[in-house]
Amino acid sequence: GDSVTQMEGPVTLSEEAFLTINCTYTATGYPSLFWYVQYPGEGLQLLLKATKADDKGSNKGFEATYRKETTSFHLEKGSVQVSDSAVYFCALSDRTSGTYKYIFGTGTRLKVLA
Amino acid sequence: GAVVSQHPSWVICKSGTSVKIECRSLDFQATTMFWYRQFPKQSLMLMATSNEGSKATYEQGVEKDKFLINHASLTLSTLTVTSAHPEDSSFYICSAREGGGVLATFGPGTRLTVL
Repeated sequence: GDSVTQMEGPVTLSEEAFLTINCTYTATGYPSLFWYVQYPGEGLQLLLKATKADDKGSNKGFEATYRKETTSFHLEKGSVQVSDSAVYFCALSDRTSGTYKYIFGTGTRLKVLA
Repeated sequence: GAVVSQHPSWVICKSGTSVKIECRSLDFQATTMFWYRQFPKQSLMLMATSNEGSKATYEQGVEKDKFLINHASLTLSTLTVTSAHPEDSSFYICSAREGGGVLATFGPGTRLTVL
């Protein structure tokens, strides 16, 4: 079945450092890919998305490119801030299933130090 | 933009009681709603998918008699945890999808603590 694999955390960075969180996926169809962010005690917020190969999603300085050839959707940010500290989830939604249910990765906790 | 609410945001109950959690789409009609549970520091696990007016489809390993899902209207789905036990304590999150769209909007979650 479909699956999402994320790099293990936690990731600890200094402010203004470059961030990469790796995400790869397995899907039988043509999934849409997402990055969600979860702050402590809160629900999920959509960070960015890409619906087809070579699409680049971007928001708040974060970027991710849908790479079909490597089945990847790595999250990057050029300069992280303390306020970016949160848990980041990579997810896919495959319309082949008919219901568009989301499959999530395990999440990567990011801690940014001042 | 699309907004999904959940009520209550947190609930504490005694073991053996039943708890109902509501999920509402506030400004769109949700043909499909999803229920997830999340254990501390873990990912979201899909419990079930529900379409308005029909029975929910449960994921493997989820007890349908324990986690009752009702999607009675295009804006409301409810999850009832029956005869709750401490191991049911978790963060429950719903999401809703408008017909024809791939994007689902997530609710803020409900934290259930069973004593």
